[in-house]
Amino acid sequence: DTEVTQTPKHLVMGMTNKKSLKCEQHMGHRAMYWYKQKAKKPPELMFVYSYEKLSINESVPSRFSPECPNSSLLNLHLHALQPEDSALYLCASSQVDRGYEQYFGPGTRLTVT
Amino acid sequence: AQSVTQPDIHITVSEGASLELRCNYSYGATPYLFWYVQSPGQGLQLLLKYFSGDTLVQGIKGFEAEFKRSQSSFNLRKPSVHWSDAAEYFCADNAGNMLTFGGGTRLMVKP
Repeated sequence: DTEVTQTPKHLVMGMTNKKSLKCEQHMGHRAMYWYKQKAKKPPELMFVYSYEKLSINESVPSRFSPECPNSSLLNLHLHALQPEDSALYLCASSQVDRGYEQYFGPGTRLTVT
Repeated sequence: AQSVTQPDIHITVSEGASLELRCNYSYGATPYLFWYVQSPGQGLQLLLKYFSGDTLVQGIKGFEAEFKRSQSSFNLRKPSVHWSDAAEYFCADNAGNMLTFGGGTRLMVKP
């Protein structure tokens, strides 16, 4: 099974709301990732968790707060977002060592109004 | 820093025709190269990967890619394109557990 699941599929939120995106994998992967993808662009890395610890934060604004409660789950907490944060948010997972392929979830389409 | 270039932003081919999508990577001691496909509004699906060994790699959906170190290229090919292949294609290099993506190539298929 190479499935990464993400919920919700779509999310519309106001600039004052707090919401969370969820990601789950059961492949035993110990690295998990959040990406942001704008239309017609490649995914941009936001965060990397390795063995449930944040290992990379690509200078993401603090209104995005990641959390890795256990080795199978990854959350992205959203607060006080801006309209320019509207995008497709993708979760991925992989083995930790360099070179392993990443498996992507279907994404959450986020619209900030 | 690693970089990946996909020179073609858009490509249009007729259904049944052959396809080649270009990818160039910047020099690295051991490139770990991937091709992903993305349908509109969907996640990325891994088509194939190259780590080492045979430079011609086979993937899913009838795709293959050839690694050419002398040309720093990893081009994706398919002998006969189907309408369902219309999508965005991304080449990527894995550098230290971070994927570096090319800009993508949008494939359109004419009936």
